Amino acid sequence: LAKTTQPISMDSYEGQEVNITCSHNNIATNDYITWYQQFPSQGPRFIIQGYKTKVTNEVASLFIPADRKSSTLSLPRVSLSDTAVYYCLVGEDNAGNMLTFGGGTRLMVKP
Amino acid sequence: DTAVSQTPKYLVTQMGNDKSIKCEQNLGHDTMYWYKQDSKKFLKIMFSYNNKELIINETVPNRFSPKSPDKAHLNLHINSLELGDSAVYFCASSQDTGSEQYFGPGTRLTVT
Repeated sequence: LAKTTQPISMDSYEGQEVNITCSHNNIATNDYITWYQQFPSQGPRFIIQGYKTKVTNEVASLFIPADRKSSTLSLPRVSLSDTAVYYCLVGEDNAGNMLTFGGGTRLMVKP
Repeated sequence: DTAVSQTPKYLVTQMGNDKSIKCEQNLGHDTMYWYKQDSKKFLKIMFSYNNKELIINETVPNRFSPKSPDKAHLNLHINSLELGDSAVYFCASSQDTGSEQYFGPGTRLTVT
């Protein structure tokens, strides 16, 4: 299983860019990296997924270095509503291996 | 329309009882999952299941068993409930393993 490590918590202010890094030193060749957002009393929600280099969508960017042993989720200009727990998930694209969530990073956005 | 639904939303029961949590997805996905989220908010996968294969996290006690009557449903049966089973249980589905997962709203299980 590809194990992940994230900071337990982070604080930010409205309008700032937030970068959350996840370490996955034993990521396998076929593993994708996926990030989820979870609000209290709700299920996690997909944010972004990538395999290498950089991926960008309407809500975030994902930066993955060449060795793929870590990844960074970048949230541009956060707002109060971005306060949530962010999970990094590393797993294989094919059926067969278990997917492992990291412990999650609690992001607190302050006014 | 709700993509992934779970019932019940809350479940309070006594130690030793047997209970089930139901999950349904209307996304036409091939793979479904069960996760357990404890009081410390760690999200741990319990099972991964598609129409070909059940993959069990080896740390899950055999008191827990998933049952899939059809591709759209994956129910979780728990026998001889223990205090440590208290947690929020999430069902999820994806087109295939590794694809974006869609989570249900969760079932908060409290064992007294």
